[in-house]
Amino acid sequence: NAGVTQTPKFQVLKTGQSMTLQCAQDMNHEYMSWYRQDPGMGLRLIHYSVGAGITDQGEVPNGYNVSRSTTEDFPLRLLSAAPSQTSVYFCASSFLLAGGNEQFFGPGTRLTVL
Amino acid sequence: GENVEQHPSTLSVQEGDSAVIKCTYSDSASNYFPWYKQELGKGPQLIIDIRSNVGEKKDQRIAVTLNKTAKHFSLHITETQPEDSAVYFCAAPEPAGANNLFFGTGTRLTVIP
Repeated sequence: NAGVTQTPKFQVLKTGQSMTLQCAQDMNHEYMSWYRQDPGMGLRLIHYSVGAGITDQGEVPNGYNVSRSTTEDFPLRLLSAAPSQTSVYFCASSFLLAGGNEQFFGPGTRLTVL
Repeated sequence: GENVEQHPSTLSVQEGDSAVIKCTYSDSASNYFPWYKQELGKGPQLIIDIRSNVGEKKDQRIAVTLNKTAKHFSLHITETQPEDSAVYFCAAPEPAGANNLFFGTGTRLTVIP
């Protein structure tokens, strides 16, 4: 099992550019999510999905889009990058369990927007 | 949504001593409380979790205690070792929302050899 994989590992964008952060998992998890991590602020949920074709917003969804066409993949799209989106992005996945369950995190993508 | 507060933000201990990190949460309906360890340049990894039907759970040198009345839970690491140095995050779920987690702001633990 590769677990949760993310690409790219690093990315530098100019303000206004768009890009897609890739996330894939091979554990057949129903639940997938994207978090951003900023210094002193922990991890904040951007978007999540409970299955193919189902997505919803988290705490900080503005400026990001997601889709879930397969169980395995959950890409995060930045529509028009802004310096405020400079952050480390983590994808996570888990089996759904009422009340909560262990989430498996990818290695992260460090994004810088100039 | 859930509000999770974590203290302290930094903690330094001598090797062999114990470390305690504390978290509080706001939603009394929350029933699952995980702790994650994040090493430099890596994603968080679950080290221990507890559900509200128990007050304490241990796994070797790591333990978590839960006080549902006071809405707080703590991570205890005994006999600390240099490899315990990392950032630790507590979290609590959004009770009505899938498996969504709200994280504390993290504690940077340094174990001094």
